[in-house]
Amino acid sequence: AQRVTQPEKLLSVFKGAPVELKCNYSYSGSPELFWYVQYSRQRLQLLLRHISRESIKGFTADLNKGETSFHLKKPFAQEEDSAMYYCALRGSQGNLIFGKGTKLSVKP
Amino acid sequence: DTAVSQTPKYLVTQMGNDKSIKCEQNLGHDTMYWYKQDSKKFLKIMFSYNNKELIINETVPNRFSPKSPDKAHLNLHINSLELGDSAVYFCASSDRRVTEAFFGQGTRLTVV
Repeated sequence: AQRVTQPEKLLSVFKGAPVELKCNYSYSGSPELFWYVQYSRQRLQLLLRHISRESIKGFTADLNKGETSFHLKKPFAQEEDSAMYYCALRGSQGNLIFGKGTKLSVKP
Repeated sequence: DTAVSQTPKYLVTQMGNDKSIKCEQNLGHDTMYWYKQDSKKFLKIMFSYNNKELIINETVPNRFSPKSPDKAHLNLHINSLELGDSAVYFCASSDRRVTEAFFGQGTRLTVV
């Protein structure tokens, strides 16, 4: 089965606190994983993808094949990080399979 | 310069009507998709088209029909709209050389 699980519907932190948004996947083969962000009433935007191992807006994510995880992390959250975050897996037919999303709320 | 554009942005219509949502991409991508985002913000794939061929059709009612006149367009036609069709519909495109998908701004459909 190809599946993405984001266990937290809502994550609330204070500004400056570390953030970790969890993502686990199920996929036979070598996965391609992504994090997308959706700010209020806007389109989904790619935040980062595991193959490029980049850091965008201070966020990083490491693929852990042993734990089948691709958690998103940021050491110091900012208020402008408040958004919906979706972990996604590229399915065998090429489409993106999304997790149910985690709403991140960063309080001042 | 918008890469993936959808029209309209908002659509309010009565039950039983037929409506279409248009999507165009200028990225030269070979695959286009329609996703539905429900009131709980869940995103589910509805269709994808690759070189004018439907390659995914999830458990979507046949009232929904994608139409692709060419590689740059994938329109979504919905017949006999129902209350449960109210959602935000996102168009997206991708290319086999670039693995991520690019999304349109979404169409918020409200059926009353």
